[in-house]
Amino acid sequence: GESVGLHLPTLSVQEGDNSIINCAYSNSASDYFIWYKQESGKGPQFIIDIRSNMDKRQGQRVTVLLNKTVKHLSLQIAATQPGDSAVYFCAVGVGSNYKLTFGKGTLLTVNP
Amino acid sequence: DAGVIQSPRHEVTEMGQEVTLRCKPISGHDYLFWYRQTMMRGLELLIYFNNNVPIDDSGMPEDRFSAKMPNASFSTLKIQPSEPRDSAVYFCASSPRRPGIGRSGELFFGEGSRLTVL
Repeated sequence: GESVGLHLPTLSVQEGDNSIINCAYSNSASDYFIWYKQESGKGPQFIIDIRSNMDKRQGQRVTVLLNKTVKHLSLQIAATQPGDSAVYFCAVGVGSNYKLTFGKGTLLTVNP
Repeated sequence: DAGVIQSPRHEVTEMGQEVTLRCKPISGHDYLFWYRQTMMRGLELLIYFNNNVPIDDSGMPEDRFSAKMPNASFSTLKIQPSEPRDSAVYFCASSPRRPGIGRSGELFFGEGSRLTVL
């Protein structure tokens, strides 16, 4: 079965620094990957996704990198701000399968 | 536009009681999902509906859990009887499209219902 894990359960950075959150997955058939942000007391919020035919995708201040060879993806946040403090989840899916598998999450804390 | 609306936001009940959680998806979204979140197990998919029809309930823990979607704008998740191990945050999410198509990962989550069973 699929398993999705995170290398670092917590990450603390200074405001203005870049943040990198990592995620490993196990199913080589996985073909779409999503990052969600969850602020305290709220539901997860979509940040960015990437399909398996890409290895990099950029959004506003965020970049997702996908390395299918080692089954690893990362979320990079540029110029991290206090408002970025949250738990970040990676989620992995296969084809049109709705069953996204979520990682346990990384708590990002941004120090002013 | 209003997002996914869940109620109640918090529920404290005693073991053995019936619990009903409610969800109003975003209008026009054909897919509705119920997730459970705990520290130990993270986010788990319980069940999902497409056009009000339950498609897969394999994530439902046991017969004590049931979910319905009587119409496109309302769904319930019921636990009867509730047990302390059911304590978790239950999220409802909706999506306008089938995962894997377009922005496949964009589930729109509600703010959750925090359930505590004593």
